[in-house]
Amino acid sequence: KAGVTQTPRYLIKTRGQQVTLSCSPISGHRSVSWYQQTPGQGLQFLFEYFSETQRNKGNFPGRFSGRQFSNSRSEMNVSTLELGDSALYLCASSLSGQSDIRGYTFGSGTRLTVV
Amino acid sequence: EDQVTQSPEALRLQEGESSSLNCSYTVSGLRGLFWYRQDPGKGPEFLFTLYSAGEEKEKERLKATLTKKESFLHITAPKPEDSATYLCAVLTSNTGKLIFGQGTTLQVKP
Repeated sequence: KAGVTQTPRYLIKTRGQQVTLSCSPISGHRSVSWYQQTPGQGLQFLFEYFSETQRNKGNFPGRFSGRQFSNSRSEMNVSTLELGDSALYLCASSLSGQSDIRGYTFGSGTRLTVV
Repeated sequence: EDQVTQSPEALRLQEGESSSLNCSYTVSGLRGLFWYRQDPGKGPEFLFTLYSAGEEKEKERLKATLTKKESFLHITAPKPEDSATYLCAVLTSNTGKLIFGQGTTLQVKP
């Protein structure tokens, strides 16, 4: 079966711009979670969507937002980009969400570089 | 505060030199502990889930064990292709949150 697809794979943006990242989960999975990964902070939870509703949110500023569509595809948006937003953004798909003991399937990530 | 700590941060081994990676956790309740492998520029790949103290799981050269305070990922006779970052994550039972450790970067030299 197809895995989790994240697009684009790489992105270079200028400070102050905004960016939209996309994630298509595994077919049948209704939950999508987003993580930011940096060398210094490791994997930091951004938010989780389940059936088009945001169910959990991490400690990130309001510049970070997301949404989920009826086909479970999800997008995350970062506005007014800062240099510190440079990171690997990972999307994780599961049947029931963050508390699913069967674990996540991750996408390959979008590498965002802010210059 | 719920916390997951992995050690060492980095580990360099010769091919065939067995070792262990540690994941210690302080959480109010454990629903499950996960191990993932991450190759550079890729997303984490699921390896194991452990649910209760005393449980062990094996896959090829990897064996994961769990106690009430920590988990070990034992690597027996590693090969260069085992080089990767290994991530541990704990699912807490009271908040239902998944907390990741910082990872251990393993390098196996031929």
